[in-house]
Amino acid sequence: GESVGLHLPTLSVQEGDNSIINCAYSNSASDYFIWYKQESGKGPQFIIDIRSNMDKRQGQRVTVLLNKTVKHLSLQIAATQPGDSAVYFCAESIGGSVFGNEKLTFGTGTRLTIIP
Amino acid sequence: GAVVSQHPSWVICKSGTSVKIECRSLDFQATTMFWYRQFPKQSLMLMATSNEGSKATYEQGVEKDKFLINHASLTLSTLTVTSAHPEDSSFYICSALLGVAYEQYFGPGTRLTVT
Repeated sequence: GESVGLHLPTLSVQEGDNSIINCAYSNSASDYFIWYKQESGKGPQFIIDIRSNMDKRQGQRVTVLLNKTVKHLSLQIAATQPGDSAVYFCAESIGGSVFGNEKLTFGTGTRLTIIP
Repeated sequence: GAVVSQHPSWVICKSGTSVKIECRSLDFQATTMFWYRQFPKQSLMLMATSNEGSKATYEQGVEKDKFLINHASLTLSTLTVTSAHPEDSSFYICSALLGVAYEQYFGPGTRLTVT
């Protein structure tokens, strides 16, 4: 259900430093995970995804780590830039990478602020 | 490619009126679209799954008679908020699935304010 009244976790990082955003997912049956970036007043933007048969995946300046034992997901952003400032959400699904129409469950989100 | 648009981007309406929000996949066909609602500083909550040519599937707690969804073509799904009330004020976001790809492409959202 909705978490009324909670504040988004925030993370402030100096420009050029690396940032790590964490996410605890809820369903041990989830086998597909995605990180999204959402800027103010816009829809989510796909960053990177990972399937449960992997524990690490790298993209351009981003790395996602998956620890299924503790149901934890992290997003690492290297050499952060001002344009990285946004809210980051993790999302999970069951069968999403196979069936293509499985619904996503979004995490709470973390607001990342890059300090110039 | 894979662009999803929403119209309008923002709308203000009076309590008791109905508002229609459109979600279009501009350069691909989408048999499945999703509608989400996002309150300020909160996460996206799935409202319903919209399938072309069939009835939408609503999430628990979402009133299907209040949030009418129509997916009449492979590029257009509409969400109508009927008899809107101030508590319906929110950011409504749609997404569309590209064929059988696993990735959902999100629209830019529609800000609804009910006065």
